[in-house]
Amino acid sequence: DIQMTQSPSTLSASVGERVTLTCRASQSISSWLAWYQQKPGKAPKLLIYQASNLESGVPSRFSGSGSGTEFTLTISSLQPDDFATYYCQQYDSYSPLTFGGGTKVEIK
Amino acid sequence: QVQLHQWGAGLLKPSETLSLTCAVSGGSFTDYYWSWIRQPPGKGLEWIGEINHSGTTNYNPSLRSRVTISVDTSKNQFSLKLYSVTAADTAVYFCARRSMIRGFFSHFGGQGTLATVSS
Repeated sequence: DIQMTQSPSTLSASVGERVTLTCRASQSISSWLAWYQQKPGKAPKLLIYQASNLESGVPSRFSGSGSGTEFTLTISSLQPDDFATYYCQQYDSYSPLTFGGGTKVEIK
Repeated sequence: QVQLHQWGAGLLKPSETLSLTCAVSGGSFTDYYWSWIRQPPGKGLEWIGEINHSGTTNYNPSLRSRVTISVDTSKNQFSLKLYSVTAADTAVYFCARRSMIRGFFSHFGGQGTLATVSS
């Protein structure tokens, strides 16, 4: 299995701050990476696919970058609606598709 | 606008079979793979497996021996059966859609279904 490791596990930040979340793969996954946002009691929501492509309807303050084994999700100016848990997911290997453990973004 | 509506039994005893169904409306059923994903309380996401309209399945090797995913194209529905459940299978279960050629999930079923395994 391709292991996905996210850091930090928890991030405390203030509204308006620029935040960067990291996801590392245990082997190269090219750019086959997606990012999701999940709020308590809700299903995940797709934000970014193929490492840097913004899903339709997602605010432009979200951006993704990286390739190979290291990836980042950046929120340029944190908004109140952005406090949530973020997961990365690789789809280079379908056996199995795997997710990272998540980064919870909390209010500072 | 595609919608995924899921349902199934929420409380099970150890060794029973978890059964969930997901109905798809508002979009193509044939152009996608249909997945089940679970999330234990307070933990991360785990992909269980998927099926397409022609019945082709892919399973997570860690669960393959206990899982069956089936499809009913006449109703645009797909189902999950997880056999011989234990407390470790307690989780919120989500159905989800991904494209045939891309491995990310564009839509998920509502808030998921909490399945609790307890004697």
